[in-house]
Amino acid sequence: DIQMTQSPSTLSASVGDRVTITCRASQSINSWLAWYQQKPGKAPKLLIYKASSLESGVPSRFSGSGSGTEFTLTISSLQPDDFATYYCQQYNSFFTFGPGTKVDIK
Amino acid sequence: EVQLLESGGGLVQPGGSLRLSCAASGFTFSSYAMSWVRQAPGKGLEWVSAISGSGGSTYYADSVKGRLTISRDNSKNTLYLQMNSLRAEDTAVYYCAKPLYSSGWDAFDIWGQGTMVTVSS
Repeated sequence: DIQMTQSPSTLSASVGDRVTITCRASQSINSWLAWYQQKPGKAPKLLIYKASSLESGVPSRFSGSGSGTEFTLTISSLQPDDFATYYCQQYNSFFTFGPGTKVDIK
Repeated sequence: EVQLLESGGGLVQPGGSLRLSCAASGFTFSSYAMSWVRQAPGKGLEWVSAISGSGGSTYYADSVKGRLTISRDNSKNTLYLQMNSLRAEDTAVYYCAKPLYSSGWDAFDIWGQGTMVTVSS
């Protein structure tokens, strides 16, 4: 089974900050990596698929990069609506989610 | 509008059974493999099960194999999850999820609102 890790687990930031979250896979998943945003009581929302493709309707301040085993999600300028928990997910072999990164207000 | 609407959650005793449903609309349901994903209270996301568009192939996480059964009725545009021999650790919000493209495994672009399952005596 493919295991996913994320760092950090919690990130405190201010509006306007550049934020980077890292996701690592236990083996190569090529570019079969997605990023989701989840707010309390809500379903996850797809942000990025195939490691770097921006889902329709998602603001361009979100970007993804990486391939193989190491990936990053970057928010170029954090906005008030971006305080949430972020999950990576591999879909190279079945599906595995990372443990999540909570982005909260500094 | 593409939409998924889960139902069937509730409180059940350990060892009991429950059937979840997910009604799909706004897309060609039979063309897409579908999945169930769950989230225990205060925890992360866990993929539970998937089924091919035809229903002929099913896949399960090891944690639920032999106890949960996924199925679909393409004539009713509905996905199901039959849950038997339920345990306390099955307590979670259960989401159905649609992949971005119909070609197979893919990221989930559409999620239902979720239905809560609580296993407790």
